[in-house]
Amino acid sequence: EIVLTQSPATLSLSPGERATLSCRASQSVRSYLAWYQLKPGQAPRLLVFDATNRATGIPARFSGSGSGTDFTLTISSLEPEDFAVYYCLQRGHWPLLTFGGGTKVEI
Amino acid sequence: QVQLQESGPGLVEPSGTLSLTCTVFNYSISSGYYWGWIRQPPGKGLEWIGSLYHTGGTYYSPSLKSRVITSVDTSKNQFSLKLKSVTAADTAVYYCARFDEGGMRAFDVWGPGTMVTVSS
Repeated sequence: EIVLTQSPATLSLSPGERATLSCRASQSVRSYLAWYQLKPGQAPRLLVFDATNRATGIPARFSGSGSGTDFTLTISSLEPEDFAVYYCLQRGHWPLLTFGGGTKVEI
Repeated sequence: QVQLQESGPGLVEPSGTLSLTCTVFNYSISSGYYWGWIRQPPGKGLEWIGSLYHTGGTYYSPSLKSRVITSVDTSKNQFSLKLKSVTAADTAVYYCARFDEGGMRAFDVWGPGTMVTVSS
């Protein structure tokens, strides 16, 4: 079973700052990694798929990079609405899927 | 616009069976896509439970495989989750979602989630 390790667990930043979130896989998942944003009381929102592709309607300040085992989600300049918890999801070993443990981006 | 909606009891007794249904609106399940269940226990992260295809193929998390059954009812455009022998650790918000395996290879449409508490 593939394990996804997200770091840091918590990122304390201010609006306007750059956020860099990491997701590391225990085995290669090629480019089959997605990123989600989760806010209290809401369903997860797909931000990035296939490691680098922004989903429809996602602002350009969100970008994904990486392949194999190391992936990064970057938020270039944090907006107030970006403070949330972020999760990565791998489908590199389809049909078994795994979520990472999450990174909380807090003010 | 495709929409999903979870439904089912919000309270389940320990050792009982948790049963949830996801109704899909504005899209026929028989037309394709995989469909899945995900949960989030209070204060914890997201956990994939399992996925299924409209033709009946099912795939489960190894940690839950012994207790999970999923099924599709194409006549009602619904899919369902049954989790047996529940304990307090199964208390969570349960989401159903669509998995776009042929495109984005991610869960792209989600239901709002439903809270299920395991307690006597």
